[in-house]
Amino acid sequence: NAGVTQTPKFQVLKTGQSMTLQCAQDMNHEYMSWYRQDPGMGLRLIHYSVGAGITDQGEVPNGYNVSRSTTEDFPLRLLSAAPSQTSVYFCASNYREGFSGELFFGEGSRLTVL
Amino acid sequence: AQSVTQLDSQVPVFEEAPVELRCNYSSSVSVYLFWYVQYPNQGLQLLLKYLSGSTLVKGINGFEAEFNKSQTSFHLRKPSVHISDTAEYFCAVRDLGADGLTFGKGTHLIIQP
Repeated sequence: NAGVTQTPKFQVLKTGQSMTLQCAQDMNHEYMSWYRQDPGMGLRLIHYSVGAGITDQGEVPNGYNVSRSTTEDFPLRLLSAAPSQTSVYFCASNYREGFSGELFFGEGSRLTVL
Repeated sequence: AQSVTQLDSQVPVFEEAPVELRCNYSSSVSVYLFWYVQYPNQGLQLLLKYLSGSTLVKGINGFEAEFNKSQTSFHLRKPSVHISDTAEYFCAVRDLGADGLTFGKGTHLIIQP
């Protein structure tokens, strides 16, 4: 099993550009989520999904869009990048029922917006 | 809404000394508790978890944590640290019936030789 796979690992954007961070999991997890990690702020939830076709906002959703067309994939879109979106982004997933409780994390995507 | 407080942003300790990283959470409803570790330039890795049962939980790399419901705490301990334990440690809480985790801001453990 590959677990949770994120691409790209590194990306540099200019202000106003758009891009998509990809996340895929092969564990048949219903729940998928995106966090951003900033120094001194810990991990903050951006968006999450409890199944295909269902998404919802987390703590810091502004400037980001998500969709969940399949169980496996949960892309995060930045429509017009801003320097405040410079961060490390983590995708994470788990089961909803019969779960072990823990979130399984990808290795992260480091985004710099100039 | 649930909140998680990690009281120390940075903890320096000498190699082979004991360490305790503190974590308190706000809600008194049934919760699941986790500690994750993040080594430099890596993702988060589960260190240990409390779901039910014994309040003393043992994890990987010699770490353990104790769940204290009355004090809403879940402090992480290790009796003797090694230089390889240098990392960021995150406490996280999941409310029973919820899907996601709420994370603390992290504690940077610095091991001094």
